[in-house]
Amino acid sequence: KNEVEQSPQNLTAQEGEFITINCSYSVGISALHWLQQHPGGGIVSLFMLSSGKKKHGRLIATINIQEKHSSLHITASHPRDSAVYICAVRTSGGSNYKLTFGKGTLLTVNP
Amino acid sequence: ETGVTQTPRHLVMGMTNKKSLKCEQHLGHNAMYWYKQSAKKPLELMFVYNFKEQTENNSVPSRFSPECPNSSHLFLHLHTLQPEDSALYLCASSRKIFGSPLHFGNGTRLTVT
Repeated sequence: KNEVEQSPQNLTAQEGEFITINCSYSVGISALHWLQQHPGGGIVSLFMLSSGKKKHGRLIATINIQEKHSSLHITASHPRDSAVYICAVRTSGGSNYKLTFGKGTLLTVNP
Repeated sequence: ETGVTQTPRHLVMGMTNKKSLKCEQHLGHNAMYWYKQSAKKPLELMFVYNFKEQTENNSVPSRFSPECPNSSHLFLHLHTLQPEDSALYLCASSRKIFGSPLHFGNGTRLTVT
């Protein structure tokens, strides 16, 4: 079992819909990242958070440390939001160097 | 534009070839990373450099050899690769080692024939 599990693996939505992508992890963490990867490979860091909630434009990321769970929400989704969304956690303790990644959620937003 | 530039974007090489991947950042970041992304698998950390010093080698085979001549440039030298090494190789940088957001390049799509 992966230390970082994302759900769903694939998600198809219509333009304008509210999107939620979930990330659960089984280890102690010091931070959680949400990343976006477009076709072609480039990855963009969306959020890095260790508690509470962050908002950037139509994107909202929340984290519940006690429940070891984070969500990424997209409001008023648009076809340009189509991408793979990746959750990654920075484990606490030890070398503190490691990021553990989920397998990603492929989001397709249809016009 | 993320500020991290990788070349080449695509590379096809035979198993006996020697090639190098290049990564460059002028963001003033002190940490640089090589990641491997294979189909259907999570990103795998390969190497980490902090202030030009290698701090992590994540059990990577010796046919992959990193080089960090300065904090702005990172290379991955490849020799006698195997077909299973075909993947997307991503370079990233951050201001502090894993303590600040990562900036990724667009990756090099490597195919080993």
